[in-house]
Amino acid sequence: IVLTQSPGTLSLSPGERATLSCRASESLSGNYLAWYQHKPGQAPRLLIYGASTRATGIPDRFSGSGSGTDFTLTISRLEPEDFAVYYCQRYGGSPLLAFGGGTKVEI
Amino acid sequence: QVQLAESGGGVVQPGTSLRLSCAVSGFSLRSYEVHWVRQAPRKGLEWVAVISYTGTTQFYGDSVRGRFTISRDTSRSTVFLQMNSLRPEDTAVYYCARDLLPSAPDYLDYWGQGTLVTVSS
Repeated sequence: IVLTQSPGTLSLSPGERATLSCRASESLSGNYLAWYQHKPGQAPRLLIYGASTRATGIPDRFSGSGSGTDFTLTISRLEPEDFAVYYCQRYGGSPLLAFGGGTKVEI
Repeated sequence: QVQLAESGGGVVQPGTSLRLSCAVSGFSLRSYEVHWVRQAPRKGLEWVAVISYTGTTQFYGDSVRGRFTISRDTSRSTVFLQMNSLRPEDTAVYYCARDLLPSAPDYLDYWGQGTLVTVSS
């Protein structure tokens, strides 16, 4: 099952709303989908799992939605520290895990 | 607190082998799965392998299956990634990461800082 993220790059300003898309080539069983934030030189950070559950300590401006093949990560109001690359990740199938190609959110 | 620390990266020639280590603390390898994920230069994240909390089951990504082996030593709280027949396209930062949940589905909530592997002649 291939994950396709769009857009490749999102150019926004602080305070604006960001909407990131992740589309699966087949329906994801159990909606087993996660979102990560990755900044250069740092470890990736889990934001959302199970398509819509925020991980511990994640601000509520981050929200996940979707089911089946179409999933969305929304950042309601961008803070300066939110500019990063975001990846979706699925569980299940072969290979067991896979990441999407990423969306870069830039100023 | 939960911590993971990778080591063992370096510069190696194509066709050779390298073993990465991931030392963990703050949790037991008998309770959580541990994964390896890599990021090639200017590329996205790629899942590499996972070892189950029982240590009896391993799964691999398509590009490394048959060349890489994941294993662990619970007495040393360490997970290993043995990489054989290395290719230039294996050049990447390798991260180890812990599963959020003790069982499926697999999401990665704690990560190490990564170790760089460069495969070049």
